[in-house]
Amino acid sequence: QLLLQESGPGLVKPSETLSLTCSVSGGSIDSTSYYWGWIRQAPGKGLEWIGSSYYSGSTSYNLSLKSRVTIPVDTSKNQFSLRLSSVTAADTAVYYCARGTMVPDFWGQGIRVTVSS
Amino acid sequence: QSVLTQPPSVSAAPGEKVTISCSGSTSNIGGSFVSWFQQLPGTAPKLLIHSNNKRSSGIPDRFSGSKSGTSATLGITGVQAGDEADYYCGTWDHSLSGGVVFGGGTRLTVL
Repeated sequence: QLLLQESGPGLVKPSETLSLTCSVSGGSIDSTSYYWGWIRQAPGKGLEWIGSSYYSGSTSYNLSLKSRVTIPVDTSKNQFSLRLSSVTAADTAVYYCARGTMVPDFWGQGIRVTVSS
Repeated sequence: QSVLTQPPSVSAAPGEKVTISCSGSTSNIGGSFVSWFQQLPGTAPKLLIHSNNKRSSGIPDRFSGSKSGTSATLGITGVQAGDEADYYCGTWDHSLSGGVVFGGGTRLTVL
């Protein structure tokens, strides 16, 4: 059974880079059928798609975050990551990793990240 | 401001039927399949409906989806207390910005 597990620091200082990892088990990340992506949810708010990557390197990012985001895929470790630079308090959210085709069809449990000094 | 528009809240008594609407445009709903997600309190979203009207594995047939033009609808019949959750529509947007877009979410309250 597919399992996605987020990991990373729960507290990040303003202006620093938020780095999270999603470990994939029960499935291979080098599938040509799926992308691997990140979605976030600010406190009390709705869902915001951050972006996605295929293992081949093809990427798609939310235009509003594109200048600050990268989503590298590591097939050797069967995991993918999120790098979000120059964070501010507005980046405080629960971050979900997910697998998808057009839309995410399988989600991790989420990790809460707070941006604060 | 979400790209897709949903009502903020709906309510229903146990056993009743409820519908949740999702409105978009030709660049998203009008040109893509629509999915629906259920987010129970304190948990991650779960895929309920994909490809407009196909239930995800394990989802009871009380849940249904439909799409017409640039709008979509989630229907829940025989509402139960355990259905109390936030529901989100989502689809791919083919405009210049591209990517996955979601509705703002609808809170279902079971009376």
